[in-house]
Amino acid sequence: DAKTTQPNSMESNEEEPVHLPCNHSTISGTDYIHWYRQLPSQGPEYVIHGLTSNVNNRMASLAIAEDRKSSTLILHRATLRDAAVYYCILRKGDSNYQLIWGAGTKLIIKP
Amino acid sequence: NAGVTQTPKFRVLKTGQSMTLLCAQDMNHEYMYWYRQDPGMGLRLIHYSVGEGTTAKGEVPDGYNVSRLKKQNFLLGLESAAPSQTSVYFCASRTSGRTYEQYFGPGTRLTVT
Repeated sequence: DAKTTQPNSMESNEEEPVHLPCNHSTISGTDYIHWYRQLPSQGPEYVIHGLTSNVNNRMASLAIAEDRKSSTLILHRATLRDAAVYYCILRKGDSNYQLIWGAGTKLIIKP
Repeated sequence: NAGVTQTPKFRVLKTGQSMTLLCAQDMNHEYMYWYRQDPGMGLRLIHYSVGEGTTAKGEVPDGYNVSRLKKQNFLLGLESAAPSQTSVYFCASRTSGRTYEQYFGPGTRLTVT
């Protein structure tokens, strides 16, 4: 199964953009890229997902490399409430249940 | 609209005891999932269900059983608890549509001594 690699932690200043990287060099052509985040002592929360093209929603943007071996989650203007663990997850296109979770990136926001 | 709720929030068991965790959702979702999360790690899928009356094994099913007798409820059972099952358990649900957004409950923290 394809795996993802993320930095253990990152720091950013409040009200600045944040770029969270994810490597998935063994991704297959039908794997979707999902991002979830988990605030302290809460269940995970869906952020965004994509297949090949860049995606935008009210929470974030997802930039996918042309070869799909890496992607970047972009928070355009981080707030203290964005401090969480961010998970980059692959989902097989032929499976409707299996999400392969890594250890995630702990995002620290400095006021 | 409560979303996904889990009962209980905390529980301490002795080795060998049994218990059932209850997950309920009021969003009329077809799919439901049980995950466990160990410290510093991502989630691992235990069992899942694609509809009422159906269940299937996930990545780490050993030592757990599940039932989905009603569409809105998904039960996770531990027949004989072991210290290795100390973890935080999350339930999630989603629609059968193409958005694939999973909605998670607040979690149950289980300690087995």
